[in-house]
Order: sequence, then C-alpha cells, then structure tokens
Amino acid sequence: DVKVTQSSRYLVKRTGEKVFLECVQDMDHENMFWYRQDPGLGLRLIYFSYDVKMKEKGDIPEGYSVSREKKERFSLILESASTNQTSMYLCASSPPTGTEKLFFGSGTQLSVL
Amino acid sequence: DQQVKQNSPSLSVQEGRISILNCDYTNSMFDYFLWYKKYPAEGPTFLISISSIKDKNEDGRFTVFLNKSAKHLSLHIVPSQPGDSAVYFCAASDGGSNYKLTFGKGTLLTVNP
Repeated sequence: DVKVTQSSRYLVKRTGEKVFLECVQDMDHENMFWYRQDPGLGLRLIYFSYDVKMKEKGDIPEGYSVSREKKERFSLILESASTNQTSMYLCASSPPTGTEKLFFGSGTQLSVL
Repeated sequence: DQQVKQNSPSLSVQEGRISILNCDYTNSMFDYFLWYKKYPAEGPTFLISISSIKDKNEDGRFTVFLNKSAKHLSLHIVPSQPGDSAVYFCAASDGGSNYKLTFGKGTLLTVNP
C-alpha cells in the first residue's frame, strides 16, 4: 500500500513564526501536492511538484513556499505564520503519466495563535 | 470562480436506502472525474473515478454517472451503510495540468441506522 506520511498530526504555532510541514511518500511517486482543507471551502491546492527541485503554484500559493530536494520528500513552508493560515494541511502524491489518482496523508491540523 | 460545485453541504439518509451525491462542473476541458471519501482526522481516500469517454462506472455499492452535456456527475451508494457516513469530495482534472485535481467543497453524508 502507498504510504504518505506527514510528520505532525497537530501543530500549534505563534504568529510570525516560520513553520515547516514535512511529507514523505514511499512509493517513488513523481508528483507531490500540498492542499489545505477549510470548512465550507473544500480542498484547495497550494503548491505541487512533478519532479525533484521542480515546483508550481497552485490556486492559493500566497504566504507559502515549498521545497523538494529528494523525490520522496515534499516540504511546505510558512515563512511568517498568520492566523488565517490556521487550517488542515494535506499532502498527497501520485504516479506520473496516466493517472490523476492521489494518495493522501492523514493531514496536519495547524493552529496559529 | 468555482469550477467544481457540490451544492449540497449535507445529506442524511436511512440505512439501506440509496444515497445520491451530486456534482456540477463548469470547465469543459475536464476529462477525468473522481470521488474521494474523508473521515474526520484522516486524509481523503480514493473511492471511484470515471473518464469522460464513459457515462457510468460501477464498483460494488458505488456507481458514478456522468452527463457531459449537463456537466453533471453523481455518486450513487446502494445500499447505504452507517460506515459510509463521511465527507465526500468530487474532483476533476483536465489531464494537461500536471494531473492536479480541482476539488468541490464536499458533501457531508450521514447514514442513520
């Protein structure tokens, strides 16, 4: 089974802190994604990466950056956390061409106080 | 501009009855559609998908119907079980966007015993 592991289930940070959310997948997938889920807004794509060191902005990239130094690891960075970044963050991965089926991690519930 | 719409935030059905979850889309370039199920505090899990060249796909109790002319798809669950209670997300892809998915806001399904 594909496993996508997010380093923390719950995280509490202060406004202005730099926050790192880590995600690791074990199926050698090329594509990796970061989504956030908010009540009433569904899942919104923040950033995605289709290869090591490659990244593309999703629908809501403002206030975020990403890093993909190794194929299995995709990090989401909040340079200066703000209260409106309190959310559930979901990492996902997928194989390369021919499928849009995403495999999700369990999520990180981030609270910014 | 919301390209994938799930207009019913919630749905409640009795155990054993049919659950019908609806999804509308506006982007004519979408050619692949998926349904995901999400339990609280877990990541979404893939449920069923359909390509635009088909109008129906069935997997056990789950059937997805696609009406391309109406830009509408629906998920039927028969018979519904209490364990089906979850948030269901409709998602779509246009294939050319590096396989990223656009999600709807989700529908909370509650199946009452």
